Amino acid sequence: DAKTTQPNSMESNEEEPVHLPCNHSTISGTDYIHWYRQLPSQGPEYVIHGLTSNVNNRMASLAIAEDRKSSTLILHRATLRDAAVYYCILWRAGNMLTFGGGTRLMVKP
Amino acid sequence: KAGVTQTPRYLIKTRGQQVTLSCSPISGHRSVSWYQQTPGQGLQFLFEYFSETQRNKGNFPGRFSGRQFSNSRSEMNVSTLELGDSALYLCASSLRVINTDTQYFGPGTRLTVL
Repeated sequence: DAKTTQPNSMESNEEEPVHLPCNHSTISGTDYIHWYRQLPSQGPEYVIHGLTSNVNNRMASLAIAEDRKSSTLILHRATLRDAAVYYCILWRAGNMLTFGGGTRLMVKP
Repeated sequence: KAGVTQTPRYLIKTRGQQVTLSCSPISGHRSVSWYQQTPGQGLQFLFEYFSETQRNKGNFPGRFSGRQFSNSRSEMNVSTLELGDSALYLCASSLRVINTDTQYFGPGTRLTVL
């Protein structure tokens, strides 16, 4: 089964960019890469997803390596409200889905 | 548009009992997924239902089951509860199948098994 690996925690200063890495070396060609985040005492919240090309939305950017074995979630300017656990997830139609352990992002004022 | 709602929000059961959790998706969403979240195992996928059919299933024992009704509402059932089933159970809905679509999560049902 495909697996994802993320650092347990990362720290960032407010107003600075944050790059959250995810390794998924066993990804298959049809697996989508999704990122969700979970704020304390809340359910997960969608951030962004992609298949092969880099993606941008109002929340973040997703950079996918050319071989798709890794991806990076980019928060362009971290705010205190971005402090959360970020999950890198592989979705595979008709098969078991894989979650990483998540990265706890701490943002310092 | 109302978000995903889950009932009940909190539940206390004893070992050996069974429990049924309910999830109402966002209006128009046809996919409902269930997840278990514990401090030790993190977020784990249970199963996904789309148009009343189970499409995906995680690595959980058969004691965990679910169903989806024609109005897309879903229920999850856990039989013969064990202490290790204590967790936050999250439900999420999406317009289409989950691998290509955004999921919207509910607040969860906190289950405590004594």
